[in-house]
Amino acid sequence: DIQMTQSPSSLSASPGDRVTITCRASQSISNYLNWYQQKAGQAPKLLIYASSSLQSGVPSRFSGDGFGTDFTLSISSLQPEDFATYYCQQSRYTPITFGQGTRLEIK
Amino acid sequence: EVQLVESGGGLVQPGGSLRLSCAASGFSFSTYWMTWVRQAPGKGLEWVANIDQGGSGTYYVDSVKGRFTISRDNAKNSLCLQMNSLRAEDTALYYCARRVVRGGDDEFDTWGQGTFVTVSS
Repeated sequence: DIQMTQSPSSLSASPGDRVTITCRASQSISNYLNWYQQKAGQAPKLLIYASSSLQSGVPSRFSGDGFGTDFTLSISSLQPEDFATYYCQQSRYTPITFGQGTRLEIK
Repeated sequence: EVQLVESGGGLVQPGGSLRLSCAASGFSFSTYWMTWVRQAPGKGLEWVANIDQGGSGTYYVDSVKGRFTISRDNAKNSLCLQMNSLRAEDTALYYCARRVVRGGDDEFDTWGQGTFVTVSS
C-alpha cells in the first residue's frame, strides 16, 4: 500500500499568514494527488485535484504543487474560514490512501 | 444541486450486520464511479470501497474484504454498503462520495454528510 505522510501534523497560524502543508508518498504516484479540507462536524471538501488543479468554487488563495512523491498545499493569505483539517489523498493505486491530516489552528 | 444522502447507520453488536444506503440526486448517477469512505471518531479518513459505473467492478480495502459488499442500483440512483461480521474497529462515520475518473485525474468531488455506525455490545 502507498503510505501518505503529511507534515506538519498540526500548525498554528494567524489570519493573513501564508502556510504550506507537505505530503509525501512512499512511492511515485505521478500527479494523482488530491487535497481535501474538513471542518469540524462537516464532510470533507475537495480543494485541489491532480496535484495542482483548483476545484470549481474554491478560492484562488489555495494552490497545489508537486509530482512523483512530494507535494504541497499552500494557502496564500489565511482567512478565518480556512482553519480546519487538511488531508492529502493518492488515487494512483488501490487501495486509495489518505494522509493522516494536518490540523490548522488559529494562533 | 448535486446531493448525496446516507442512511442506515446505528448501533449493532459485534458480529452483526448493517446495510447502509446512499441516495444520489442532481447528476447522472449511472455515469460515475461511487465510493465509501469512513472516519473513526477523532481519526482520519479511510477509503473503504469503490464501485464502477455498471456495478461489475468492485474494490475494497483489505480490512473489509469478505465482510463488506458495495453495490448500486442505477435505476434508483442508489448506492449501498452491506456490512457483515462487524467488529468494534468498524465503528465510524461512513461517507458516500462521488468519484470522478478522467484520463489524468481521479478524485472524490462530492460527499454526503455521513451516517454513523457503532459496533458495541
